[in-house]
Amino acid sequence: AQRVTQPEKLLSVFKGAPVELKCNYSYSGSPELFWYVQYSRQRLQLLLRHISRESIKGFTADLNKGETSFHLKKPFAQEEDSAMYYCALSPSYGQAGTALIFGKGTTLSVSS
Amino acid sequence: NAGVTQTPKFQVLKTGQSMTLQCAQDMNHNSMYWYRQDPGMGLRLIYYSASEGTTDKGEVPNGYNVSRLNKREFSLRLESAAPSQTSVYFCASSEPPGQGSDTQYFGPGTRLTVL
Repeated sequence: AQRVTQPEKLLSVFKGAPVELKCNYSYSGSPELFWYVQYSRQRLQLLLRHISRESIKGFTADLNKGETSFHLKKPFAQEEDSAMYYCALSPSYGQAGTALIFGKGTTLSVSS
Repeated sequence: NAGVTQTPKFQVLKTGQSMTLQCAQDMNHNSMYWYRQDPGMGLRLIYYSASEGTTDKGEVPNGYNVSRLNKREFSLRLESAAPSQTSVYFCASSEPPGQGSDTQYFGPGTRLTVL
């Protein structure tokens, strides 16, 4: 079954501390993986995707096919990083109208 | 560009009432989606439309119907609202791979409460 698991509902860190938001997936093919972020009172927006291999707002994520993981990392958390983060999988990448499978989300709270 | 717009932003219904949630996008995307967001459940797909003229069920379609009115608009209808449909509803759109970015763009959401 296709599934995205985010084991932590809430992650609380202090400003300047490293952050790792965990994401594991279950999918038999080659997945396309994403991290979406939802800041307070804002719409869901794409943070990054694994094929881009880029760093956005200091965040990076590496796809580990052996561990079926796509953890989101940032070396030094900022207060403005506080948000809900969703890991998502596209099970049929390359096909039109492919809906995403979302994890349940992790709330990141960064305090000073 | 407004991107993806949704109306209304908030709605309160009584059990058994009906309503339609509207979604429009001005990015000329072919594919559109309806998700619901519930605490502890993440986002779950209700229906999607891969292209104009087609619609398909997602993970949680029961109690909902959709209409892809044209390329821009994709509406979600609750024929007889139930308290279990209390949720935040998000519309999204995307372009198929090969025709530009397939990133999904989300609307601001509709917060629905069914009493």
